[in-house]
Amino acid sequence: DGGITQSPKYLFRKEGQNVTLSCEQNLNHDAMYWYRQDPGQGLRLIYYSQIVNDFQKGDIAEGYSVSREKKESFPLTVTSAQKNPTAFYLCASRRIPGNTIYFGEGSWLTVV
Amino acid sequence: SQQGEEDPQALSIQEGENATMNCSYKTSINNLQWYRQNSGRGLVHLILIRSNEREKHSGRLRVTLDTSKKSSSLLITASRAADTASYFCATDGGDYKLSFGAGTTVTVRA
Repeated sequence: DGGITQSPKYLFRKEGQNVTLSCEQNLNHDAMYWYRQDPGQGLRLIYYSQIVNDFQKGDIAEGYSVSREKKESFPLTVTSAQKNPTAFYLCASRRIPGNTIYFGEGSWLTVV
Repeated sequence: SQQGEEDPQALSIQEGENATMNCSYKTSINNLQWYRQNSGRGLVHLILIRSNEREKHSGRLRVTLDTSKKSSSLLITASRAADTASYFCATDGGDYKLSFGAGTTVTVRA
């Protein structure tokens, strides 16, 4: 089935650790996105990429890093510099040109 | 930045009733989209309305857009328990980024 796969679904991070969230899509979409969602809140854009080997910061990029070495993959690393990382993280992709964004099922990250 | 703002934040209705939620935004847009999110899940696209359109229908959904007021509304008719979810508007300014609002949480009571 075509879609976006995020893993893991649940992740626990200790203080000072870096963690990486995986996002893979088999939709052959050009653009990929990472959003953060806090409880009861909307989505805030962390990073996005429109083409392989290129990506741009969104509104809340500090403390996060990404790579786009392959069209189908866009992993997000939450670094120790992100002081409040507990949130729900959503990966998405989009065809260019195209309007609709397709989302994965999300990953919950909790700091312990 | 979050451009869209939904109103109300939460809505509770009886099954069979209509649900209306509104979205206001700040800058010019190419299109406005509505998405649904079930608790703890990803978002699912519902409907898109372009800046030169005023109204659009899809099944039990009706969307309106007033670019002069920078506002949109989503109407769900004859609601069902399965419509219980959060609904988000998202604005597309033509730069391949979508800006989402904080959402309206709809609860449909049986």
